[in-house]
Amino acid sequence: GAVVSQHPSRVICKSGTSVKIECRSLDFQATTMFWYRQFPKQSLMLMATSNEGSKATYEQGVEKDKFLINHASLTLSTLTVTSAHPEDSSFYICSASGTGLFLHFGNGTRLTVT
Amino acid sequence: GENVEQHPSTLSVQEGDSAVIKCTYSDSASNYFPWYKQELGKRPQLIIDIRSNVGEKKDQRIAVTLNKTAKHFSLHITETQPEDSAVYFCAASRAGNTPLVFGKGTRLSVIA
Repeated sequence: GAVVSQHPSRVICKSGTSVKIECRSLDFQATTMFWYRQFPKQSLMLMATSNEGSKATYEQGVEKDKFLINHASLTLSTLTVTSAHPEDSSFYICSASGTGLFLHFGNGTRLTVT
Repeated sequence: GENVEQHPSTLSVQEGDSAVIKCTYSDSASNYFPWYKQELGKRPQLIIDIRSNVGEKKDQRIAVTLNKTAKHFSLHITETQPEDSAVYFCAASRAGNTPLVFGKGTRLSVIA
């Protein structure tokens, strides 16, 4: 079945540094990928919609200059958390849809900012 | 935009009993309603989904019902087992490449 690979699975960084998270669709082309964030004991909240070859669409309250999204190919989207702060510590999950409605999720990235 | 409400937030049942989780949605154009199970520290796993042209769907111990008129859908787990303990999320979306909007989740505990 369709697989979405997300890396890294865990990352610890110092405050003020940047972290890049990759999301790849391994066996299908994803013109659209979605980035979600999940704080502890909370639900998944959509951060942005990543469109191949164009600018991402950000949800209200998500800083586009802080969370840089690049979707350069049909199989790769990246999320870069710039100048990370402890409040950015969270579980970040990407998802993608090939044909049909079924969304495939990556394994998620647990970001800890110290 | 879509808003999904999910109840209850926590649910404890005895092993063997049934569990029911309910969700409502606001966007009448939504037509895809999946349910996800998330274990601690892991990604959500799709357990069952239903589309708007179907009123009920069943897969072994799990069933989902949909009432489009009332804009609510429910997850039913029968003969619960300890391994069913997890957080369950409902979600809704429109057709095509539109994102899922998730409910706040239900923490299900099955007591042996």
